Amino acid sequence: KNEVEQSPQNLTAQEGEFITINCSYSVGISALHWLQQHPGGGIVSLFMLSSGKKKHGRLIATINIQEKHSSLHITASHPRDSAVYICAPEARGNYQLIWGAGTKLIIKP
Amino acid sequence: NAGVTQTPKFQVLKTGQSMTLQCAQDMNHEYMSWYRQDPGMGLRLIHYSVGAGITDQGEVPNGYNVSRSTTEDFPLRLLSAAPSQTSVYFCASSYNLGGGNSYEQYFGPGTRLTVT
Repeated sequence: KNEVEQSPQNLTAQEGEFITINCSYSVGISALHWLQQHPGGGIVSLFMLSSGKKKHGRLIATINIQEKHSSLHITASHPRDSAVYICAPEARGNYQLIWGAGTKLIIKP
Repeated sequence: NAGVTQTPKFQVLKTGQSMTLQCAQDMNHEYMSWYRQDPGMGLRLIHYSVGAGITDQGEVPNGYNVSRSTTEDFPLRLLSAAPSQTSVYFCASSYNLGGGNSYEQYFGPGTRLTVT
């Protein structure tokens, strides 16, 4: 069983829709990272959170430590949001991130 | 700050050749790591370092060596290139990892390596 499960694997939506990407993990963590990989390959960090909720522009990330679950939401989605979104928990006491397989998001105009 | 820089951006090698992928950061980050990403797949950790003089293996270390003589630089050496090492290589850094506090990860632009 994978330690990190992301869903959905692929998501196609229309511009303006509200997007939710889910991440479940099975290990104890000190934090969870959400990252974005652009179609050109570059990887940027979106959020790092260990509790509650964070918001940056149209992006919102939440985490429930007790349920071992995190979600990434995109409001008023735009074609430029098309990318792969990756969940990566940081296992407690470990020096490695546990990488999810990613969710490929396509926003159509 | 330049952030995390990687050179070269593209490289073609013949089987059996060796080369070094360069990675440097100017943010005084203690933690640096190398990943490979194969088509349609997620990132896999090759090696990592928690500070100058300290390195350790990740998930897929075979065929690669690293060293960390300074805080800034973390080169990845391919000892004898094989077609299975055709991939995109990413270097990443953060202030720390696994030390109780968590920090944002910064990634280089990647090196696209083809081994023929």
